[in-house]
Amino acid sequence: DGGITQSPKYLFRKEGQNVTLSCEQNLNHDAMYWYRQDPGQGLRLIYYSQIVNDFQKGDIAEGYSVSREKKESFPLTVTSAQKNPTAFYLCASSMGGSYNSPLHFGNGTRLTVT
Amino acid sequence: RKEVEQDPGPFNVPEGATVAFNCTYSNSASQSFFWYRQDCRKEPKLLMSVYSSGNEDGRFTAQLNRASQYISLLIRDSKLSDSATYLCVVTLNSGYSTLTFGKGTMLLVSP
Repeated sequence: DGGITQSPKYLFRKEGQNVTLSCEQNLNHDAMYWYRQDPGQGLRLIYYSQIVNDFQKGDIAEGYSVSREKKESFPLTVTSAQKNPTAFYLCASSMGGSYNSPLHFGNGTRLTVT
Repeated sequence: RKEVEQDPGPFNVPEGATVAFNCTYSNSASQSFFWYRQDCRKEPKLLMSVYSSGNEDGRFTAQLNRASQYISLLIRDSKLSDSATYLCVVTLNSGYSTLTFGKGTMLLVSP
């Protein structure tokens, strides 16, 4: 079955450590996204990528970095510069090329930094 | 004014009830509209796209009112399993970075 997989489901880190969240899709989608969701808040876009080897900052990119070396993979690194990293992180993909393409989400990674 | 606004609820309804949610958007250039469903501590899942002519999928009906800049979701004959948060998503015509999510409306269906 095609889908989008995030790992791990839960992640705990100490403050000051960088951490990388994995996102893999086998839907052959061109576009991939990273969102952050905080309690009572809407999803906020961190980074997105329309094509391999290219990505753009979203609304809240500070303290995060991404890479898109393969079409299937879009890992997100939460750096020590991110002031409030504890959140629910959602990766998504879409066919791209059209604003009508809905998003398909992974099952999320819940990051806790203490 | 926020870009996409939803009544956070919760909406508490008994099984079998009909319930409707509205979502208002501020940018008149918005082109695409979706409803997503999000269960507690899970990822959002596409419920339905919203077309200009309105569309129906079983017990769910979505409508778009461009003049008043809102979309609606009607759920008939509510089931316990409909309990979730319903997210409104609006996009401009430039795609990728312009999807805007509402904060969601929580629905609780009770026996």
